[in-house]
Amino acid sequence: QSALTQPASVSGSPGQSITFSCTGTSADVGGYHYVSWYQQHPGKVPKLMIYEVNNRPSGVSNRFSGSKSGNTASLTISGLQAEDEADYYCSSYTTSSTLVFGGGTRVTVL
Amino acid sequence: QVQLVQSGAEMKKPGASVKVSCKASGYNFTSYAFSWVRQAPGQGLEWMGWINTYNGNTNYVQKLQGRVTLTTDTSTSTAYMELRSLRSDDTAVYYCARDRLSVYSGYDASFDYWGQGALVTVSS
Repeated sequence: QSALTQPASVSGSPGQSITFSCTGTSADVGGYHYVSWYQQHPGKVPKLMIYEVNNRPSGVSNRFSGSKSGNTASLTISGLQAEDEADYYCSSYTTSSTLVFGGGTRVTVL
Repeated sequence: QVQLVQSGAEMKKPGASVKVSCKASGYNFTSYAFSWVRQAPGQGLEWMGWINTYNGNTNYVQKLQGRVTLTTDTSTSTAYMELRSLRSDDTAVYYCARDRLSVYSGYDASFDYWGQGALVTVSS
């Protein structure tokens, strides 16, 4: 099972909106509604930001939103803040009843 | 409150085995399955496998089949990950992660609680 494809890095200025992608295949992202996104600050534990493509856990800012079209899922961060600077990983359930992560996207706030 | 507390850092030689523990508290242990996820230094997350704490069913990533075993001890609410025939590229932080949904509510492949991680270093 190959890792999902994410851009290595994305940057934006405070207050801007950024969107980055997570591309898989019909065997994972395209085949299921089970795409999640995690935020990881350096040296910290991953934190669930989005589950089931577009749902936010309690306590996660509504500046984070998810979507999916075909084999590509996307995470949008609106009103970018300095605290959003982190690595972001997508994950998806697969036809093999396993889970696969993306390679991660480093978000930099300029 | 839910807590997942993992065992400490380990240093192992190539060819050895390691067993990492993850002690859960603050909820009914057998109601939620666990996955194990590892992260090599400076690298991304890699899903290793999953165990249903209610019935012991497991599923592993193909590349680790035969080298990894996930188990639980329900009497102590502890999950374990054993990795055998260690190689240098197994050097990583190993996390346990709890499914967001209980075993009675379905499955959506997301994790809401994570252990603090356990660094396993494999070096001769």
